[in-house]
Amino acid sequence: GAGVSQSPSNKVTEKGKDVELRCDPISGHTALYWYRQRLGQGLEFLIYFQGNSAPDKSGLPSDRFSAERTGESVSTLTIQRTQQEDSAVYLCASSSSVEEKYFGPGTRLTVT
Amino acid sequence: GQSLEQPSEVTAVEGAIVQINCTYQTSGFYGLSWYQQHDGGAPTFLSYNALDGLEETGRFSSFLSRSDSYGYLLLQELQMKDSASYFCAHKAAGNKLTFGGGTRVLVKP
Repeated sequence: GAGVSQSPSNKVTEKGKDVELRCDPISGHTALYWYRQRLGQGLEFLIYFQGNSAPDKSGLPSDRFSAERTGESVSTLTIQRTQQEDSAVYLCASSSSVEEKYFGPGTRLTVT
Repeated sequence: GQSLEQPSEVTAVEGAIVQINCTYQTSGFYGLSWYQQHDGGAPTFLSYNALDGLEETGRFSSFLSRSDSYGYLLLQELQMKDSASYFCAHKAAGNKLTFGGGTRVLVKP
């Protein structure tokens, strides 16, 4: 595809339910990132995948959060037992270079 | 630890020049990036400085001083479409990007 795509674009879920967010990076990009952005706030790093290396999970806020990536393709961010404070936009980015990261449109998660 | 500080908001008129400062603290530094984000949109890359000095890209320029742990983004000939949030971000080891809290730029006619 032409850019990074994410699905769903919007997700409303009840507190306590699990959700899965999907990211399709730009083909050939070895690096993939997940960020969280609360309303009016900056981007909070969650997790980073680089090729076949072990992912950098240092930004995951709790063990309810996990992410997987299959090779250099699709990634899924899973949030278990969602809480209201998980409500945010979840952004995925991919990169093939040091300098430029390409962001997807994000998934807006609302936990009721 | 790693942190970046930038002003929360700047207001200017069309045609003006705006400078957004960014100071950072990091245990390892490999470069400073700038991203633009319009309301409801995705961040888009503007510039990257790995070395000291000024990088110019059209109306936007970015500056870095590694000795001062400081950089800035300069927006010239402001246009209404430049109203957006601007984030500095620094690259640490492993290509990980850490973002500042963002500066909201409001351009008035």
